Amino acid sequence: SQKIEQNSEALNIQEGKTATLTCNYTNYSPAYLQWYRQDPGRGPVFLLLIRENEKEKRKERLKVTFDTTLKQSLFHITASQPADSATYLCALEPHSGGYQKVTFGTGTKLQVIP
Amino acid sequence: DAGVIQSPRHEVTEMGQEVTLRCKPISGHDYLFWYRQTMMRGLELLIYFNNNVPIDDSGMPEDRFSAKMPNASFSTLKIQPSEPRDSAVYFCASRGLSSTDTQYFGPGTRLTVL
Repeated sequence: SQKIEQNSEALNIQEGKTATLTCNYTNYSPAYLQWYRQDPGRGPVFLLLIRENEKEKRKERLKVTFDTTLKQSLFHITASQPADSATYLCALEPHSGGYQKVTFGTGTKLQVIP
Repeated sequence: DAGVIQSPRHEVTEMGQEVTLRCKPISGHDYLFWYRQTMMRGLELLIYFNNNVPIDDSGMPEDRFSAKMPNASFSTLKIQPSEPRDSAVYFCASRGLSSTDTQYFGPGTRLTVL
């Protein structure tokens, strides 16, 4: 069955360091992979989308890599700040054909320590 | 735009009662999604609509759950009768037509069934 795995344990990192979060998937051929941020008591907020034929995508201090051979995406936050503390979700969308079903991972909680 | 609007934000009810959750998507968005989030199972897609028509309801857990979208600006998710295991945060999200458009989530409804 399709499975998306994110590190369920919280990631604690010192302010200023680079945080790296991992998303692994099995039995899935995604067309797109997305990363979302979720703060307590709020809905997820979209951060970045990367296509299957893209290796890397950047946005300000964020960088996402996508390796379809390893079936893995890495999400990096450089120069991390306490305000980056949140839960980060990866989400996979299959090849379309009018089909818009996105599957989310369970998320990894990031804590940036001042 | 005010974003995706959900009501109520919190709902506490007793087992066996009917619960109705409401959602107003972002104007102009063609897709509407209902998700449920729990600690154990993460964010699960329940059902999604395209142009007010239900496309995939395979995530709806049981016949006790039903969803409607009578027009482009309103959707409901109903649980009847409710059970304690239905306790979760329910999110509504909407997105535009393009496959690379992102989903915009509402603030969620926290449901507690006693």
